[in-house]
Amino acid sequence: GAVVSQHPSWVICKSGTSVKIECRSLDFQATTMFWYRQFPKQSLMLMATSNEGSKATYEQGVEKDKFLINHASLTLSTLTVTSAHPEDSSFYICSARGLAVTGTDTQYFGPGTRLTVL
Amino acid sequence: QKEVEQNSGPLSVPEGAIASLNCTYSDRVSQSFFWYRQYSGKSPELIMSIYSNGDKEDGRFTAQLNKASQYVSLLIRDSQPSDSATYLCAVNSGGYQKVTFGTGTKLQVIP
Repeated sequence: GAVVSQHPSWVICKSGTSVKIECRSLDFQATTMFWYRQFPKQSLMLMATSNEGSKATYEQGVEKDKFLINHASLTLSTLTVTSAHPEDSSFYICSARGLAVTGTDTQYFGPGTRLTVL
Repeated sequence: QKEVEQNSGPLSVPEGAIASLNCTYSDRVSQSFFWYRQYSGKSPELIMSIYSNGDKEDGRFTAQLNKASQYVSLLIRDSQPSDSATYLCAVNSGGYQKVTFGTGTKLQVIP
């Protein structure tokens, strides 16, 4: 299947700092990228959807000023958690959607970033 | 009504048995259907996609789609303990709309 990478895979930061997470589609051009958050033993929660070159669309209840998304190219999207607090500690997963080598419009997930805010 | 519904489980099956995972969806114009597997602490991994009515087989996995009944299922033959995971059903209504995920069914394969 198609490869989506995320960096870093885990990060620990102090409360009040900002953290940037990168998501890259390595072997296909992603028309759309998605950012999800997952708390322990809970299901995936979609945070926002972004298309290259345009502003992200945030889901209800997700603060766009706190979770900054930049989709600079068809292979790169970044999520910045600004002024992180302990309640932001979670597993953040990006997903890229596009025409993979199979020629079908499919959504693939990155390996996730585990954020711990002290 | 949730857009994509799955029984949360856990579904427990003995090793070697067939595990049957079910999913229903509400949008009649849905076009693409996916099954993802998610191990605890890991991100989801695509295991099957299906686009037309009927069965699609890949190894021990068979996806079944019935658009008239708005129902998609995943069968896992000869279940192994390594199949123990949460299985997410996902539905795409076409175009550039977002893919909608179910909340997942937790499968436990008992050795």
